[in-house]
Amino acid sequence: KAGVTQTPRYLIKTRGQQVTLSCSPISGHRSVSWYQQTPGQGLQFLFEYFSETQRNKGNFPGRFSGRQFSNSRSEMNVSTLELGDSALYLCASSGGLAGPTDTQYFGPGTRLTVL
Amino acid sequence: AQKVTQAQTEISVVEKEDVTLDCVYETRDTTYYLFWYKQPPSGELVFLIRRNSFDEQNEISGRYSWNFQKSTSSFNFTITASQVVDSAVYFCALKGTTSGTYKYIFGTGTRLKVLA
Repeated sequence: KAGVTQTPRYLIKTRGQQVTLSCSPISGHRSVSWYQQTPGQGLQFLFEYFSETQRNKGNFPGRFSGRQFSNSRSEMNVSTLELGDSALYLCASSGGLAGPTDTQYFGPGTRLTVL
Repeated sequence: AQKVTQAQTEISVVEKEDVTLDCVYETRDTTYYLFWYKQPPSGELVFLIRRNSFDEQNEISGRYSWNFQKSTSSFNFTITASQVVDSAVYFCALKGTTSGTYKYIFGTGTRLKVLA
């Protein structure tokens, strides 16, 4: 079974630009979550999509948005990039249900550098 | 409120030493799930173990073992005879089940350095 894939793996942008990151979950998984990881702030939850609907949201400004498609693939968009948005963006997929077997599996991440 | 605390920011050990990574959690849920993930320098978080709140049985997998104690709200992770390849950041996480949020709460991670 293929794992979670994220594209691109590396990205360099300049302040003010916008960026779109993509995540393909494990086949059969309906939940996709996004996290931002920086050395200073650790692993911070951005949002979660389940069956094309945003189910959970972290405390990030509206410049951070996402969506999920009918095939469960998800995209995350950051508009008007700031230097502080430089981070590793991790995507995780899971079945999305409350059962005891539900577990998040992570992709390799997209490392975004804002200059 | 739910919270995961990993008080150890960084631990350094010499190869072959045993090391325990601490994880303390807070939740009001009666049913919840605890996880450990490993993040090697490559960046990807690798799932290690899931433990359900109603199962306090400890688990051993090779050199890894986990001690879950509801009485102290702890879910500690021990690596026996550590190896250089164990060097990574380890995250403990909690998933509650009430209010249908299914949100994962991660600790701040413990960086483990195993020196040859």
